Amino acid sequence: GENVEQHPSTLSVQEGDSAVIKCTYSDSASNYFPWYKQELGKGPQLIIDIRSNVGEKKDQRIAVTLNKTAKHFSLHITETQPEDSAVYFCAASITSYDKVIFGPGTSLSVIP
Amino acid sequence: EAQVTQNPRYLITVTGKKLTVTCSQNMNHEYMSWYRQDPGLGLRQIYYSMNVEVTDKGDVPEGYKVSRKEKRNFPLILESPSPNQTSLYFCASSLWAGNGYTFGSGTRLTVV
Repeated sequence: GENVEQHPSTLSVQEGDSAVIKCTYSDSASNYFPWYKQELGKGPQLIIDIRSNVGEKKDQRIAVTLNKTAKHFSLHITETQPEDSAVYFCAASITSYDKVIFGPGTSLSVIP
Repeated sequence: EAQVTQNPRYLITVTGKKLTVTCSQNMNHEYMSWYRQDPGLGLRQIYYSMNVEVTDKGDVPEGYKVSRKEKRNFPLILESPSPNQTSLYFCASSLWAGNGYTFGSGTRLTVV
């Protein structure tokens, strides 16, 4: 079955710098890649997703890139702010009828 | 407001005393799922449901039961809770299994 790995497990950046979180997946048939942000004391929240027919997607300060050949995808956060501090999970699924498989998470700290 | 509602938010119980954590969604989603989150272990799936009366085991189903008698509700039942079930639990729902998930706010369970 699908396996999703995520690096780094923890990441600290200075406010205003960029943060990059990388994920790899094992099943080349995967075609849906969502990212979730979990703030302290809350449930994970979908922040951006990408499908395999697209190489990059942006939404204000966040962007996701996908390299299908290498089977990896990344989350990029530019101009980081303290409110970006959270745990971020990447995930992958093969079809709309296959459940999403989550990575282990990255704890991001943005230092003011 | 589209949401997944879990109750209770916090629960302390004793070993062996049956309990139910409720989950309800108002988005007419087909797919619902339960996860537990423990430090360093990410999100682990307990049970999921593709539709009414269709449920299946996730990665860590031992000690848990679920039911899906109506589309909107997906309760998690612990028939005889044990201390190793102390954890943070999340319910999630989605239009389909391989789509973006909406998570509830979580239930922090302590079994003493």
